[in-house]
Amino acid sequence: GAVVSQHPSRVICKSGTSVKIECRSLDFQATTMFWYRQFPKQSLMLMATSNEGSKATYEQGVEKDKFLINHASLTLSTLTVTSAHPEDSSFYICSARDQGTNTEAFFGQGTRLTVV
Amino acid sequence: RKEVEQDPGPFNVPEGATVAFNCTYSNSASQSFFWYRQDCRKEPKLLMSVYSSGNEDGRFTAQLNRASQYISLLIRDSKLSDSATYLCVVNIGTNAGKSTFGDGTTLTVKP
Repeated sequence: GAVVSQHPSRVICKSGTSVKIECRSLDFQATTMFWYRQFPKQSLMLMATSNEGSKATYEQGVEKDKFLINHASLTLSTLTVTSAHPEDSSFYICSARDQGTNTEAFFGQGTRLTVV
Repeated sequence: RKEVEQDPGPFNVPEGATVAFNCTYSNSASQSFFWYRQDCRKEPKLLMSVYSSGNEDGRFTAQLNRASQYISLLIRDSKLSDSATYLCVVNIGTNAGKSTFGDGTTLTVKP
């Protein structure tokens, strides 16, 4: 089946620094990818929809200048958490769907970000 | 009202029990439906798709009622390894449409 690879799986960074997370579709092209965040014991919350070749669409309450998304190719989307703070510590997951309707989403392995 | 609502749980059942999860969705334009399983600190993984005709995969049975905008998942003969959080997922539209997740229902199967 289709595979989505996310990197890194775990990162610890200092407060004020920026962290980049990569999401790749390995055997299909994804014009759209999705970025989610999940805090402990809470559900997955959609942060933004990454669109290849155009600006990302952010969900209400998500700061676009803090969470920079770049979708430069049909197989790669990146999420950069800028000026990270401890409250940004969370589990970030990307997903992509193969072309066509009624297809399930494939998820990356997730990135556990800890800001100290 | 949330777009996708699930039983809040948690469900704590003994091995061998049958357990059912329910999910309702609010957008009548929803096109496809899935159940995902998420283990602690891991990414969600597809458990099964849900069709109007119903579908079964071993001990798992999923049902969709479009008229009532209702999805269910039945697990028979629960195993310890079934312990996880089960997510109801609804897609609207083509691959450009986002997936909307329920909050998940946590199942713990005990010996």
